[in-house]
Amino acid sequence: NAGVTQTPKFRVLKTGQSMTLLCAQDMNHEYMYWYRQDPGMGLRLIHYSVGEGTTAKGEVPDGYNVSRLKKQNFLLGLESAAPSQTSVYFCASSYQGARLFFGSGTQLSVL
Amino acid sequence: AQSVTQLDSQVPVFEEAPVELRCNYSSSVSVYLFWYVQYPNQGLQLLLKYLSGSTLVKGINGFEAEFNKSQTSFHLRKPSVHISDTAEYFCAVSQVTGGGNKLTFGTGTQLKVEL
Repeated sequence: NAGVTQTPKFRVLKTGQSMTLLCAQDMNHEYMYWYRQDPGMGLRLIHYSVGEGTTAKGEVPDGYNVSRLKKQNFLLGLESAAPSQTSVYFCASSYQGARLFFGSGTQLSVL
Repeated sequence: AQSVTQLDSQVPVFEEAPVELRCNYSSSVSVYLFWYVQYPNQGLQLLLKYLSGSTLVKGINGFEAEFNKSQTSFHLRKPSVHISDTAEYFCAVSQVTGGGNKLTFGTGTQLKVEL
C-alpha cells in the first residue's frame, strides 16, 4: 500500500536548470496538489488538480508548471530554476471534502 | 478567501504536562478544519478533523480539538504530553463547497517536549 509517492527525494540544481518532480498515488483520488514548505511560512499551495486533464493555480504558482495526463500522476515542472525555489515540496491527494494524504517530500536546493 | 493564524511558533512543555496549541481562522464561507502533525524529515499526517456535528473532536495519540464558531477558533489540546509528541503541528482549513478541496495552512507550531 504505497499511498502517495514522490520522486526524487533530494535534488540539487544550478540556477537556470530545469527539472520535473513526479507524484504518483494509488488510491484513485480525484484531487491532487503540490505544496511548498518554507521555514516560518507553513505550506503554500502551488498548483492543484480536480481531475485528470485539469489543473489550476494555487497561492504561489509563478515559476512552476504542472500536468495531470493520468489520474494517478501529477507532475510539477520548473523550467528555469531560481534560488528562491529552494524548498521542500510536498504532493498530496484526496477525495472531495476529505483528508489530504501527503507524500514524504522532495528537498530541492537551487544554487 | 480563507486564512489561518497560529500565534505560537514554538511551545516548550515538560513531559506529562498539558498543552494547548492555538489556531484561529477566517473565512466568508463554511469550512472544514484540520490539524496535521509533521515529525522530522517526514510528510504530514492527519491528527484530527472537524467536518460537522459535535464541536469536540478526538484524534489520534490522545489529542483533541474544539471548534468554536463564535471565536473562529480550533485549538488543539492534550492533557498529558509525551516526548514522542515533539513535532511541528499545522492547523488547516478548507471550504465546505467549491474551492477544489484546497487546504490553507497556518505557519505551524513547533511543540518541544522536555524531560
